[in-house]
Formats: sequence, C-alpha cells, structure tokens
Amino acid sequence: TQLLEQSPQFLSIQEGENLTVYCNSSSVFSSLQWYRQEPGEGPVLLVTVVTGGEVKKLKRLTFQFGDARKDSSLHITAAQTGDTGLYLCAGVSYGQNFVFGPGTRLSVLP
Amino acid sequence: SAVISQKPSRDICQRGTSLTIQCQVDSQVTMMFWYRQQPGQSLTLIATANQGSEATYESGFVIDKFPISRPNLTFSTLTVSNMSPEDSSIYLCSVASGDQETQYFGPGTRLLVL
Repeated sequence: TQLLEQSPQFLSIQEGENLTVYCNSSSVFSSLQWYRQEPGEGPVLLVTVVTGGEVKKLKRLTFQFGDARKDSSLHITAAQTGDTGLYLCAGVSYGQNFVFGPGTRLSVLP
Repeated sequence: SAVISQKPSRDICQRGTSLTIQCQVDSQVTMMFWYRQQPGQSLTLIATANQGSEATYESGFVIDKFPISRPNLTFSTLTVSNMSPEDSSIYLCSVASGDQETQYFGPGTRLLVL
C-alpha cells in the first residue's frame, strides 16, 4: 500500500515569514501534485512535478521533487494571509490510483 | 484543466434518508472519481466511475451504500443511502487530466446528517 506522509501537520506563522512543508513516502511515484484547499472549497491544483530533482516556481511558492521521486517539498517565501489553507500532496504511479497525504494546515497571521 | 460543478453545494439531512449528489464536467472525460473528506481530514477515495461500466469501489465502500451512476462522459451521480451522522462529510468529485498525472476537483458537497 502506498502512503504519503506530510509534515508538519499544523503550522501557524506570522505574515512575512518563510516556511517549508514536506511530503514523504517509501514508494516511488511517476508524478506528484500539490493542492491548496480553502475552507468551503474543493482542492485547487498548484503544481504537478514529474521529473526527479525537478524544481518549479509559482510566484512565492517553490516546489521540489526528490531525486528518487519519493518525496517533495513546498517552500513559501514571505507568507501572506491569503496563503492560509490546507496543503495536500498527492502521488500517482503508473496504473495506480492517486494517493493523498493527510495535509498540512497552514495559518498565516496578520 | 476542467471546470467541474456539483449540486447541491450543501445539505442537512435526516438519519435514514438518502441524498444524490450530481457532478457535471465541462468536457468529456473517461474517468471520474468520488472522494469523501471527513472534518479536518484528508481525502479518501470512495470509487472510480467509468462510463458504460460499473463503478470500482475502494475497500470499505460498497455499492449498496454509495450507488454511483455514470450515464455519459460529462456527468456522474453519487448517492449516500440510509444516512447516519457518521456520513457527515464533504463529498468531492474529480476528473483526471489526459495524461492521468493530475486531478481536478469540484467545489464539494457539504453534508450534515442529523
């Protein structure tokens, strides 16, 4: 059974701080996605990474896929209150269903 | 990407009743997925719905409790049958991208069972 772990589970920071959240597994994935879910909404795709070692940037967000394609990180620079939400990573392997991590609940305080 | 809508957006239901949730996609897709997200939790896959065949259910979910229809390539329904308070959750439908590497989600249906 493929499992994804995320850390930290909860994170509360002040606006302007930097943070990193992690997504780890013992399984290899063909791709990994990061989603953000705000209260009352469905998860919204932020990025898909498919190549080991890949780094993608989306404004203040930097995503990295581990060389072995078992882990990923999301780094946010100068967090804003609008970054508040539940961050979910999800992995997929060829012919398998998507597997979701438990999520990191981020709260950015003004 | 795909634009997905769900109806109803929320509902409050009595124990023992059933609720059917609709999911509409703006393009034809082969696979649609139904997830449950219990309060404060991540997503749990209920079943995969393919057009023209029976849905494939994950462990712990059965067709009698969660019957699914998939009449065409843009629409699906999930029914939550004989509801109990433990069924109170957010129910989400999603579709996979063409390369099957990404999923796109609807806004969810918030269900409260009293």
